[in-house]
Amino acid sequence: DVKVTQSSRYLVKRTGEKVFLECVQDMDHENMFWYRQDPGLGLRLIYFSYDVKMKEKGDIPEGYSVSREKKERFSLILESASTNQTSMYLCASSPRGAYNEQFFGPGTRLTVL
Amino acid sequence: GDSVTQMEGPVTLSEEAFLTINCTYTATGYPSLFWYVQYPGEGLQLLLKATKADDKGSNKGFEATYRKETTSFHLEKGSVQVSDSAVYFCALWGSGGYQKVTFGTGTKLQVIP
Repeated sequence: DVKVTQSSRYLVKRTGEKVFLECVQDMDHENMFWYRQDPGLGLRLIYFSYDVKMKEKGDIPEGYSVSREKKERFSLILESASTNQTSMYLCASSPRGAYNEQFFGPGTRLTVL
Repeated sequence: GDSVTQMEGPVTLSEEAFLTINCTYTATGYPSLFWYVQYPGEGLQLLLKATKADDKGSNKGFEATYRKETTSFHLEKGSVQVSDSAVYFCALWGSGGYQKVTFGTGTKLQVIP
C-alpha cells in the first residue's frame, strides 16, 4: 500500500519559533510538494521538488523554506513562525512525468500562538 | 495564469439524491483535469481524471466529462450515499509542462440518511 506520511498530525508552536514539518514517501517518487490548505482558499502550493536537492517556489513561498537531502524525504521549515501561518499543511508526491496523480499525506494541523 | 472555479458549498443532500458539483477552469492550451476527494481527517486522494477533450473520467459511481467548449468538468453521481460525505476538489494540470497542479477551493458535501 503506497504511503505518504507526515511527522505530526497536530502541532502547537509559539510565535518566533523555528518549525520543521517532515514528510516521507515510500513510492520512490521524484516529485514532492508542500501545500497549505485554508478554508475558502483551497490548496496553495508553497514549494515543490523534482529531485534530490532541487526545489522550486510555488505560489506562496514567503516565510518558508524546504530541504530535500534524500529522495524519500521533503521537509518544510518555518524560519520564524507567525500566527498567519496557522493552517493545515499537506505533503504530496508524484512520479516524474506529466499529468500524474499526486498522493497526499494526512496533513499536519499547525497552530501558532 | 491557470485557475479553477468550483461551486461554493456546503452541499447537503439526502441519501440516493443526484449530485452535481460544478467546476469551470481557465487555462491555456490543453490541460488535464482532475477531481480529488478528501474524507474527514484524511489527505486528498484522486477520484477521477480526464486528459483530453471529451474524455469521461469515472470511478466509484462518479463521472465527469472534459468539455473544452464550455471549459467545464462537472462532477456527477446518480445516487449518493452517506459515505460520500467529503470535500471535493477540482484541479487542473496545465499543458506548459510545469509540474504544478492548480486546485479549486473545494466543495463540502454532506449526505444525510
